[in-house]
Amino acid sequence: AQSVTQPDIHITVSEGASLELRCNYSYGATPYLFWYVQSPGQGLQLLLKYFSGDTLVQGIKGFEAEFKRSQSSFNLRKPSVHWSDAAEYFCAVAPGGFKTIFGAGTRLFVKA
Amino acid sequence: EAQVTQNPRYLITVTGKKLTVTCSQNMNHEYMSWYRQDPGLGLRQIYYSMNVEVTDKGDVPEGYKVSRKEKRNFPLILESPSPNQTSLYFCASSQRGAGVGETQYFGPGTRLLVL
Repeated sequence: AQSVTQPDIHITVSEGASLELRCNYSYGATPYLFWYVQSPGQGLQLLLKYFSGDTLVQGIKGFEAEFKRSQSSFNLRKPSVHWSDAAEYFCAVAPGGFKTIFGAGTRLFVKA
Repeated sequence: EAQVTQNPRYLITVTGKKLTVTCSQNMNHEYMSWYRQDPGLGLRQIYYSMNVEVTDKGDVPEGYKVSRKEKRNFPLILESPSPNQTSLYFCASSQRGAGVGETQYFGPGTRLLVL
């Protein structure tokens, strides 16, 4: 069955430090891959997406993600975290058709 | 402003009392979807609609109904709510659906408590 795994339920990072959020998916082919961010009390906002081409994808707010086919991973990174990045982050997979499968989310805490 | 709106934002009800959560988008999108978000489970798709009068089940459709009579509206209906439907609900829309790589635009969410 298709699935998305975000191994870290929560992560704490100091402001200014680098960040990597992990995402692994289970699917036979390369699906469409997305990262969304949910700020407290808000809906979800797209950070970036990948479906072909360059495996390093740039997104909004200084985020990037790298697709690694051999590892079935799509990890999200940011070189220097700001306090305003504290939020919950969701990796999502659209294997085709009209369904979308989300991971359980990783909550990011930022220490001053 | 392009947006997806949901009403109500917060709702407390009792078991068995029918309710409807409305969703409306002003982007002329063909695709709309409902999700529920529960701690530790992320978002799970309830129903989606590819166009007017065309709907299909997501991963957790039991206990829910939807209709798509107009392109802009996609209400979620709970005919007989139960406590296990207490959750945070999101409506989303996109032009053709994430399955072709499109971004979904999410509403602000509706927090439902069923007593």
